[in-house]
Amino acid sequence: DGGITQSPKYLFRKEGQNVTLSCEQNLNHDAMYWYRQDPGQGLRLIYYSQIVNDFQKGDIAEGYSVSREKKESFPLTVTSAQKNPTAFYLCASSQRDRYTDTQYFGPGTRLTVL
Amino acid sequence: GEDVEQSLFLSVREGDSSVINCTYTDSSSTYLYWYKQEPGAGLQLLTYIFSNMDMKQDQRLTVLLNKKDKHLSLRIADTQTGDSAIYFCAESPSYSGYALNFGKGTSLLVTP
Repeated sequence: DGGITQSPKYLFRKEGQNVTLSCEQNLNHDAMYWYRQDPGQGLRLIYYSQIVNDFQKGDIAEGYSVSREKKESFPLTVTSAQKNPTAFYLCASSQRDRYTDTQYFGPGTRLTVL
Repeated sequence: GEDVEQSLFLSVREGDSSVINCTYTDSSSTYLYWYKQEPGAGLQLLTYIFSNMDMKQDQRLTVLLNKKDKHLSLRIADTQTGDSAIYFCAESPSYSGYALNFGKGTSLLVTP
């Protein structure tokens, strides 16, 4: 089955710890994205990557870091510098072609800081 | 970026039509999207429309686009209880590397 997987589904972290969220896709898409969702809010862009070994900051990149060493993987690290990390994190991927650049989403990871 | 605007709540009776409205911000967006989110889940692509189209129909879904007013709407015909979810509209502005700019979502409640 082709798709996007995120793990774990639920993650608990103590204050002051870094944590890494996994995102893997087997759709052969070039572009990958990380969004954050808070209750009653839309999705806000954290980081995006259009191609392997390249990524760009989104609107709320402070306190987060990413890497894109492989086409199929785009892990997100939530560092201790992120002031309010409790949220639902969504990963997406897309392949721009002549007709569309539609993004497909994973099931999400809910991070709770204790 | 600027805000994509959506009304926050909509309640309809089963079997009626639902219309969810959205005002977007970037006239350079090539595509405009509607996504559906059920509780605790990721976003599911419902449909999208190319910016040079006025209307797109896909089974029970009809999308209307008014580029002059930057207004997008999603009509769901014969709404079912399984359609209860949050619906997000999204634009794809050229300034963000084609990352999507989302509205806050419209919670649709379908009552029997």
